[in-house]
Amino acid sequence: KNEVEQSPQNLTAQEGEFITINCSYSVGISALHWLQQHPGGGIVSLFMLSSGKKKHGRLIATINIQEKHSSLHITASHPRDSAVYICAAALYNTDKLIFGTGTRLQVFP
Amino acid sequence: EPEVTQTPSHQVTQMGQEVILRCVPISNHLYFYWYRQILGQKVEFLVSFYNNEISEKSEIFDDQFSVERPDGSNFTLKIRSTKLEDSAMYFCASSRQGARGETQYFGPGTRLLVL
Repeated sequence: KNEVEQSPQNLTAQEGEFITINCSYSVGISALHWLQQHPGGGIVSLFMLSSGKKKHGRLIATINIQEKHSSLHITASHPRDSAVYICAAALYNTDKLIFGTGTRLQVFP
Repeated sequence: EPEVTQTPSHQVTQMGQEVILRCVPISNHLYFYWYRQILGQKVEFLVSFYNNEISEKSEIFDDQFSVERPDGSNFTLKIRSTKLEDSAMYFCASSRQGARGETQYFGPGTRLLVL
């Protein structure tokens, strides 16, 4: 069983739709990272969370430590949001990140 | 805006050869990382480096791998004797704080192909 699970694996949406990507983890963590991987392969960090909620533009990330679950939301999705979204757990008291398999998002105009 | 750079962008090598992948982290960052992503698979942690020494390493990071920060700006990953299964995209990342404290800045990656 993977220590970090994401759902769904693939997601298609129409422009303007509200998107939710889920991440569950089974290990003790210090923080949860959300990353975006572009079609060309480049990786950009979106958020690092250890509790609560963070917002940046149209992106919102939440985490529930008790339930070992985090979500990434995209409001008013746009075709340029098309990418693979990855969650990664920072194991408790280490600098090691355990990555999920990613959610491939395609937003159509 | 400062960015992490990696060279080369692509490298093709013969099995058994040594390769060195180079990274220039952001200048005021203190934590450095190498990750790899085999085609079609998830990103995997290889090693973290802080205060001139390895702070964490994964099971993948065996004796064939080594890291170095030779001159205070470059951060290198050496694979001593490459295997076919080392073919992957290798990403370098850096941050001011560790993975528990801050987001990381990723380089564009080096695509390594071992023939």
